[in-house]
Amino acid sequence: GENVEQHPSTLSVQEGDSAVIKCTYSDSASNYFPWYKQELGKRPQLIIDIRSNVGEKKDQRIAVTLNKTAKHFSLHITETQPEDSAVYFCAASSRNDYKLSFGAGTTVTVRA
Amino acid sequence: DVKVTQSSRYLVKRTGEKVFLECVQDMDHENMFWYRQDPGLGLRLIYFSYDVKMKEKGDIPEGYSVSREKKERFSLILESASTNQTSMYLCASKVQTGELFFGEGSRLTVL
Repeated sequence: GENVEQHPSTLSVQEGDSAVIKCTYSDSASNYFPWYKQELGKRPQLIIDIRSNVGEKKDQRIAVTLNKTAKHFSLHITETQPEDSAVYFCAASSRNDYKLSFGAGTTVTVRA
Repeated sequence: DVKVTQSSRYLVKRTGEKVFLECVQDMDHENMFWYRQDPGLGLRLIYFSYDVKMKEKGDIPEGYSVSREKKERFSLILESASTNQTSMYLCASKVQTGELFFGEGSRLTVL
């Protein structure tokens, strides 16, 4: 099955700086890569996703890049704000998005 | 707004007890999932269901079973709870290609 590795496990950034989280996956058939954000005590929620026919996708301060050859994808958060503090999970899916395999998560802390 | 509701937010059970975790979604989604969340291990898939009465094992099915008698309801069953099943359990649902919607989670403690 799919194996997703995520780094780093924790990330502390100064407010206004950028944060980057990286994930690698094992199954070359994977074609869907979402990112979920989980605030403390809340449910994980989708923040951005990318499919294998696209190399990069942006949504305001968040961007995701995908390198299918190297089998890795990254989340970039620019101009970080305190509300960006959360646990972020990457995931990968093959079989037409059927079953998502998640990374271990990255706890991001934005220092004021 | 999609709503995925888990019946219990917090449960405390004793070793050997049978535990039922219930999940209901209100958006007519075909696919429903049970994940387990543990610090440092992320979200691990226990079981999923792609239709009524259909189920497939995920990555960590041992010690668990599931039931899906109606499209909107997906239950996770621990036949004989053990202390290593103390965890946060997250139910989720989705259409075939689309966003996975999670419930609030059920925190289970097995003593």
